[in-house]
Amino acid sequence: AQSVTQPDIHITVSEGASLELRCNYSYGATPYLFWYVQSPGQGLQLLLKYFSGDTLVQGIKGFEAEFKRSQSTFNLRKPSVHWSDAAEYFCAVGAWDSSYKLIFGSGTRLLVRP
Amino acid sequence: ETGVTQTPRHLVMGMTNKKSLKCEQHLGHNAMYWYKQSAKKPLELMFVYNFKEQTENNSVPSRFSPECPNSSHLFLHLHTLQPEDSALYLCASSQEPGLAGDTQYFGPGTRLTVL
Repeated sequence: AQSVTQPDIHITVSEGASLELRCNYSYGATPYLFWYVQSPGQGLQLLLKYFSGDTLVQGIKGFEAEFKRSQSTFNLRKPSVHWSDAAEYFCAVGAWDSSYKLIFGSGTRLLVRP
Repeated sequence: ETGVTQTPRHLVMGMTNKKSLKCEQHLGHNAMYWYKQSAKKPLELMFVYNFKEQTENNSVPSRFSPECPNSSHLFLHLHTLQPEDSALYLCASSQEPGLAGDTQYFGPGTRLTVL
């Protein structure tokens, strides 16, 4: 069955430090992969997506993610975190079962130390 | 307005009340979705509409009743809810589910509290 695992429930980094959020997926075919960010009390905002081609994708707000098929990962990175990046981050895979749907991970909450 | 809008943003209701959540998308998309987001749980897909036709009902209790009068509007009618139904209800839209490049765009959500 298709699934998405975000191993880290919480991550704390200092402002200006680099960030990597992990995402492992399970899906038999080539996946469509997404990262979304959610600020408190808000909906989900798309950061970036991968469908095909270059395995390193650039997104908004200085984020990037790399698709590694051999490891079934789609980790999100940012070289220098800003206090405004504090939020919850969700990885998702678009998968076909009886129909097409997005399967979300449980999320990683990012805290930023001043 | 642009994107996906949801009203109301906050709703408190008793278990015997009837209320409705509204979602509107201004993106020209054909598909609309309802999700439930509870604390400490992954997002749960509730319903999918594609070209106004319901294509997914993810075993949602009948006290939740969706309505999609056209591709731009989606409603969720609520009646005799339970306290465990308290959650953030998110609406999303996309061009066409499963199409290469199809991306879901989310509204800000309605925070529902059932007393």
